[in-house]
Amino acid sequence: NAGVTQTPKFQVLKTGQSMTLQCAQDMNHEYMSWYRQDPGMGLRLIHYSVGAGITDQGEVPNGYNVSRSTTEDFPLRLLSAAPSQTSVYFCASSYDSSGMADTQYFGPGTRLTVL
Amino acid sequence: QQQVKQSPQSLIVQKGGISIINCAYENTAFDYFPWYQQFPGKGPALLIAIRPDVSEKKEGRFTISFNKSAKQFSLHIMDSQPGDSATYFCAAVDSNYQLIWGAGTKLIIKP
Repeated sequence: NAGVTQTPKFQVLKTGQSMTLQCAQDMNHEYMSWYRQDPGMGLRLIHYSVGAGITDQGEVPNGYNVSRSTTEDFPLRLLSAAPSQTSVYFCASSYDSSGMADTQYFGPGTRLTVL
Repeated sequence: QQQVKQSPQSLIVQKGGISIINCAYENTAFDYFPWYQQFPGKGPALLIAIRPDVSEKKEGRFTISFNKSAKQFSLHIMDSQPGDSATYFCAAVDSNYQLIWGAGTKLIIKP
């Protein structure tokens, strides 16, 4: 199993550009989520999905879109990048939402810089 | 508003010593309290977790102490080793199964 994979590892964008962060898991997990990690603030939930075709907003969803067309993939789209979106982004998955706290697996992260 | 407050922000401990990281919460609806360990350049990984009906849980050198009345919980790392150097996050799970994270503690174990 590759677990949770994320691409790219690093990305530099200019203000106003759009891009998609990719996330995939091969564990047949129903629950997937995106977090951003900023210094001194821990992780904050952006969007999550409890299964294919179902997504919902987390704590900080503004400026981001998600979709879940398959169980395996959960891409995060930045619509118009802003410097405030400079952060490290983590994708995570778990078997189901009720067990997410004790079975959540994280990807290696994408470090995004917006100039 | 930070629902889970974690301290200290950074901690330096001598090899063989005890590392202690503290967390406090306000929301009594939280019902699961995991700790995550994160190494540089990696995603967080679940280390140990506890439910509020238990006052202590031990796994190897790692122990969670939980005080429900004070709404506090802490991570103790016994016989701390250089390989334990990492950032540690406490968290709490709310009624919607969402993880609420503390701000993190950067732990350095000096050889």
